[in-house]
Amino acid sequence: DAKTTQPNSMESNEEEPVHLPCNHSTISGTDYIHWYRQLPSQGPEYVIHGLTSNVNNRMASLAIAEDRKSSTLILHRATLRDAAVYYCILRDSFSGSARQLTFGSGTQLTVLP
Amino acid sequence: EPEVTQTPSHQVTQMGQEVILRCVPISNHLYFYWYRQILGQKVEFLVSFYNNEISEKSEIFDDQFSVERPDGSNFTLKIRSTKLEDSAMYFCASSADPGQFTYEQYFGPGTRLTVT
Repeated sequence: DAKTTQPNSMESNEEEPVHLPCNHSTISGTDYIHWYRQLPSQGPEYVIHGLTSNVNNRMASLAIAEDRKSSTLILHRATLRDAAVYYCILRDSFSGSARQLTFGSGTQLTVLP
Repeated sequence: EPEVTQTPSHQVTQMGQEVILRCVPISNHLYFYWYRQILGQKVEFLVSFYNNEISEKSEIFDDQFSVERPDGSNFTLKIRSTKLEDSAMYFCASSADPGQFTYEQYFGPGTRLTVT
C-alpha cells in the first residue's frame, strides 16, 4: 500500500475548525483515501473516505488535492470529544489486501477548552 | 445504532495458557477482522474472515492463533499458548459488504489481554 505522512500531533481550540493534513505523494489512481480516528481507550472509528472529489458527512469534510498527492480532514467545530488519534489510510481498490486497514502512527489531536 | 461487542473487556492469563477472545459483530455484516494494538504502538492487522474461512492473514497470525465463527453471531480469536509478547489490546471489526473496497469497518471496544 502507498505510504501516508501525517504530523505527529496538532492542537486546536474548542469550537474552532481543525485541518488535519495527510501527504500521500505515491498514491495510485485506484487508491481510496480513508480516515479513521481512535478516541482514548477505544477502538478505531470510521470518519470519512473519498477518491477524487471533496466529501462531506455528519462528522467531517475531506478535501482532496487536485493531484491527489495530499488530503485534509476538516472538523468544522472541534469539541473536547474530538480529541483522538486520526489516521489517514490509503486502500487500493484492486488489491486483495484492500480489505484490511493498514494503520500508521496518525496525528494526535489535542483540543483545548 | 448497531455496534460490535467484545468480551471480556480485560483478560489476564499466565504464559502458556490458552485464551479465547469473543466478539459479536454487527448482525448483517459478512466480513470479520481481528486487529491488535500493543501498548503505545500502531494498530496491526491480524486476520480477516469471510464465508467461514480465513480470507487474509498477517505474519503475526501464526499457528498459535485461530479464528472461528461457531454460530451465527459470535466470532472468536483463540491463542493456544500465550506468550508475554501477546499482551495487547485486541480489536474485532466487521464490515457489511466484502465486495466493496470502500466500505467502512466497525470496531469493537477491544479486549485487553495481559499475559503474566
